[in-house]
Amino acid sequence: DTGVSQDPRHKITKRGQNVTFRCDPISEHNRLYWYRQTLGQGPEFLTYFQNEAQLEKSRLLSDRFSAERPKGSFSTLEIQRTEQGDSAMYLCASSRGAGDRATNYGYTFGSGTRLTVV
Amino acid sequence: GQQVMQIPQYQHVQEGEDFTTYCNSSTTLSNIQWYKQRPGGHPVFLIQLVKSGEVKKQKRLTFQFGEAKKNSSLHITATQTTDVGTYFCAARLEAAGNKLTFGGGTRVLVKP
Repeated sequence: DTGVSQDPRHKITKRGQNVTFRCDPISEHNRLYWYRQTLGQGPEFLTYFQNEAQLEKSRLLSDRFSAERPKGSFSTLEIQRTEQGDSAMYLCASSRGAGDRATNYGYTFGSGTRLTVV
Repeated sequence: GQQVMQIPQYQHVQEGEDFTTYCNSSTTLSNIQWYKQRPGGHPVFLIQLVKSGEVKKQKRLTFQFGEAKKNSSLHITATQTTDVGTYFCAARLEAAGNKLTFGGGTRVLVKP
């Protein structure tokens, strides 16, 4: 297993277009997280899954954002009608554990997808 | 708003010197984790602290969890150019559900 994979690495899109990112976590990890990071800031939580169930979604996330993890393996993050403010690095991470114990394990992050909305 | 605060935001260090970066929260934390992000890279897990007053060492890095479990520190001795990057602390906040909240990070620059 080579870690967490994200695709694409870079995405440039015009304002108003839809984009979709993919994340393949470490196979033994049942937790998958999406974070967003802008320049000079720490990762900001978007949503997470335990297996195929989406357990939490940030209140900062508008309805234009949706994430899925249909079979409890890979996940996709879609942004509809992109805005310039969506430009950021989108990081996916995975970890072991479930419930309260999930935060007892470190996250393994992917290399991220850098989105630029022009 | 950010509930995990890190200071300083920037740390310029002369190669060979020591420095400390701090992570603070207004609430009691069940555990705290530290990550390092190299320029252009992604966060990489370094360590987790769980017990009150816990101290862990990784070579030149010493991590400490406060007695009240509301703060943590990372001390680096004999800084090297390989220490360049941003160091983040992350914690599970009781009111923030079951995921990690990251601090804003301390950006470390090393002067040779």
